[in-house]
Amino acid sequence: EADIYQTPRYLVIGTGKKITLECSQTMGHDKMYWYQQDPGMELHLIHYSYGVNSTEKGDLSSESTVSRIRTEHFPLTLESARPSHTSQYLCASSEFLGDQPQHFGDGTRLSIL
Amino acid sequence: AQKITQTQPGMFVQEKEAVTLDCTYDTSDPSYGLFWYKQPSSGEMIFLIYQGSYDQQNATEGRYSLNFQKARKSANLVISASQLGDSAMYFCAMREGGTGGFKTIFGAGTRLFVKA
Repeated sequence: EADIYQTPRYLVIGTGKKITLECSQTMGHDKMYWYQQDPGMELHLIHYSYGVNSTEKGDLSSESTVSRIRTEHFPLTLESARPSHTSQYLCASSEFLGDQPQHFGDGTRLSIL
Repeated sequence: AQKITQTQPGMFVQEKEAVTLDCTYDTSDPSYGLFWYKQPSSGEMIFLIYQGSYDQQNATEGRYSLNFQKARKSANLVISASQLGDSAMYFCAMREGGTGGFKTIFGAGTRLFVKA
């Protein structure tokens, strides 16, 4: 079983609030990722990290930011939430070698009112 | 350009029968990996099977097998003896760029419905 945890599982919050979505993994993986996924749709990579102090933007432009101060922790922050941010956010991690699969958390379903 | 194409938005299969979910990909990189993931309605992504571009044999994992046709750039997932619990979204994904490659690109997914 993969050990990657996301909190909160669900979040309903008003416009303009600052939000931090937490993601932690206990597998010692160097690579971590954040995806945005609308219901029943494909995943879009919004951020990734090769390791500590490494963060990169993904293919889908996002107003969110990430940090990687510790190997196991990769939080995503929205400074001012808007209704357009309503979506599911999936965190994943993987070993450095590319033939290893990504392990996903259970996701955070975010609704901005 | 679409790099991963899953042409079947939805598929129905009778319980205990086999089903094939299609996936075609586009890459000029000789080194790549192909993955299939399952996403139940609860939302988590579950890794099913992996095929490397240099692998000579088709990958198999229990009831899952990958029909890898390199020249045609297809990597279809075959699920044998379908079960009701197989009802879910299935995503094909590709990682380019060798073992250090990073980005994984996902297809739009196929929703599978297993009928009792």
